[in-house]
Amino acid sequence: SQELEQSPQSLIVQEGKNLTINCTSSKTLYGLYWYKQKYGEGLIFLMMLQKGGEEKSHEKITAKLDEKKQQSSLHITASQPSHAGIYLCGAGPTFNDYKLSFGAGTTVTVRA
Amino acid sequence: AAGVIQSPRHLIKEKRETATLKCYPIPRHDTVYWYQQGPGQDPQFLISFYEKMQSDKGSIPDRFSAQQFSDYHSELNMSSLELGDSALYFCASSSGTGEPGEQFFGPGTRLTVL
Repeated sequence: SQELEQSPQSLIVQEGKNLTINCTSSKTLYGLYWYKQKYGEGLIFLMMLQKGGEEKSHEKITAKLDEKKQQSSLHITASQPSHAGIYLCGAGPTFNDYKLSFGAGTTVTVRA
Repeated sequence: AAGVIQSPRHLIKEKRETATLKCYPIPRHDTVYWYQQGPGQDPQFLISFYEKMQSDKGSIPDRFSAQQFSDYHSELNMSSLELGDSALYFCASSSGTGEPGEQFFGPGTRLTVL
């Protein structure tokens, strides 16, 4: 199975500040997925990265996959209260295999 | 756009009872995945189906069984429920053909075993 480590486990940011979450794997990542989860609710897909060095952005969220495809970061610019939640990275064992293993998640709190 | 539908959203059962969770994938998605997320835990893969056949199996207890029907909806059957089965159960669907894309998750069924 793909073991993913996320850091930090939790973080608190002031509204308007930037934040970064990291996801590291000991194995090559064939597909790296970022999800957001509100407490006790479903997973909302954010982005998927497949290629080394790939970077994607959606609104104020940017995700990158390093060249070695073993580490990904999720960066939020000018955080807002709507960004609060749990961010999970997930990865499949092979290309196009969506049997995902997830990191433990990063809980983000945004203070007004 | 249509999303993955799960029912019921909440379910309360007693120990040793049975429960059936249903999942309706996005139209034209042929693959269904089940995940279990315990309190404060990350989702754990249970089982998946592709074209109505079991395609992969994860950490699913023998007390649980699942199947995918001809209309591609899936049901997770849980028997002899234990307190530790209390969790959020997610269903996700994907299309096995064409360009690779993301897995779409349903809102989950919260099972509480008393």
